[in-house]
Amino acid sequence: EIVLTQSPGTLSLSPGERATLSCRASQSFSSSYLAWYQQKPDQAPRLLIHGASSRATGIPDRFSGSGSGTDFTLTISRLEPEDFAVYYCHQYGSSRGTFGQGTKVEIK
Amino acid sequence: QAHLVQSEAEVKKPGASVKVSCRASGYSFPNYGISWVRLAPGQGLEWVGWVSAYNRNTYYAQKFQGRVTMTTDTSTSTAYMELGSLRSDDTAVYYCARDGLVVPAALDYWGQGTLVTVSS
Repeated sequence: EIVLTQSPGTLSLSPGERATLSCRASQSFSSSYLAWYQQKPDQAPRLLIHGASSRATGIPDRFSGSGSGTDFTLTISRLEPEDFAVYYCHQYGSSRGTFGQGTKVEIK
Repeated sequence: QAHLVQSEAEVKKPGASVKVSCRASGYSFPNYGISWVRLAPGQGLEWVGWVSAYNRNTYYAQKFQGRVTMTTDTSTSTAYMELGSLRSDDTAVYYCARDGLVVPAALDYWGQGTLVTVSS
């Protein structure tokens, strides 16, 4: 099983600041199979990025993904009030998907 | 626009089984799979397993092997997840999500979630 480790656990930032979230895998896999999701309390997760760097339909361009091998990054260029949430990475390169433990982006 | 609607919340006793349904609309159900993901209190998302709506192939996370069964009914565009031998730590919101046809993929549409509470 591929284990994904996200860092930091919590990111305290102000609106307008840049957020950089990390996701590290226990073994290398194709970047084509890495996704990022946003989840707010009492809501289902929302797909932001797939294939490591492709934005899902309707996702603003302040969200961007990058990385390959074992190291992946989600960047939010300028935080909007609605961006404060928990973010998860997800690998689907093996037959059994796994999620990272999440990074909470909170208002400083 | 794809839409997934899940069954209502359930309360079960330890050792019992629960069956959650996920009815799909707005897309061709047999052309995709369905993954099930759960969110336990204070925890992160956890992938439970995947089922193909085309050929009913399944992949389950190792920790649920032997306890979970995922099925689909193409006549009603509905997917099901049955989890047995329930324990208190199975208390969670269970989500279904649209997935790849042959192998897992990014999860682009999600159900609203079903709260399963396991309590004596």
